[in-house]
Amino acid sequence: AAGVIQSPRHLIKEKRETATLKCYPIPRHDTVYWYQQGPGQDPQFLISFYEKMQSDKGSIPDRFSAQQFSDYHSELNMSSLELGDSALYFCASSPRRGGGHEQFFGPGTRLTVL
Amino acid sequence: KQEVTQIPAALSVPEGENLVLNCSFTDSAIYNLQWFRQDPGKGLTSLLLIQSSQREQTSGRLNASLDKSSGRSTLYIAASQPGDSATYLCAIEGGGSQGNLIFGKGTKLSVKP
Repeated sequence: AAGVIQSPRHLIKEKRETATLKCYPIPRHDTVYWYQQGPGQDPQFLISFYEKMQSDKGSIPDRFSAQQFSDYHSELNMSSLELGDSALYFCASSPRRGGGHEQFFGPGTRLTVL
Repeated sequence: KQEVTQIPAALSVPEGENLVLNCSFTDSAIYNLQWFRQDPGKGLTSLLLIQSSQREQTSGRLNASLDKSSGRSTLYIAASQPGDSATYLCAIEGGGSQGNLIFGKGTKLSVKP
């Protein structure tokens, strides 16, 4: 069965650089969630999209932005990177927004900021 | 604000033991609860999903229960194996949310051969 695809799997950036993470949801899933997991931490919700519109916002810094495209893939854009942005970034997809539908997680993108 | 707590933070058991991991949450208005497994530096593997109307779910050697009124869930692992060693996370989809999950900090399980 198709799973959530994230690219790149690993990314190394310098401070103040920008990064773009991509997420390709499971086919026919119209909802995408982004989570950030710092070292030794639990995943924290950043932002979500439903039918290409921003649905909900969590603890996402103003330096980050995201969007969902017509083919339902999503991109997380991160600017002015800081050391504290080093984390594992997960994307999850769901067949519907909220209401108890299971979320399926991608393998994550490990971002290292030097 | 929904808070999710997992006890214990770490657990070490000999191979073959049955064990229970605990998860508690402060707001009983939830849509569902998911248990995940995470290997070091790796992604999240969904183990079991319990809807708010359900009491338990089973998959192989795993059994998860949900008591919404008391704000508790347990993950029971039977006949543990070294390959079960990982961090186990529970996550809540709150009733007032748009679907985002709130995670506990996890229980790090080590099964010794």
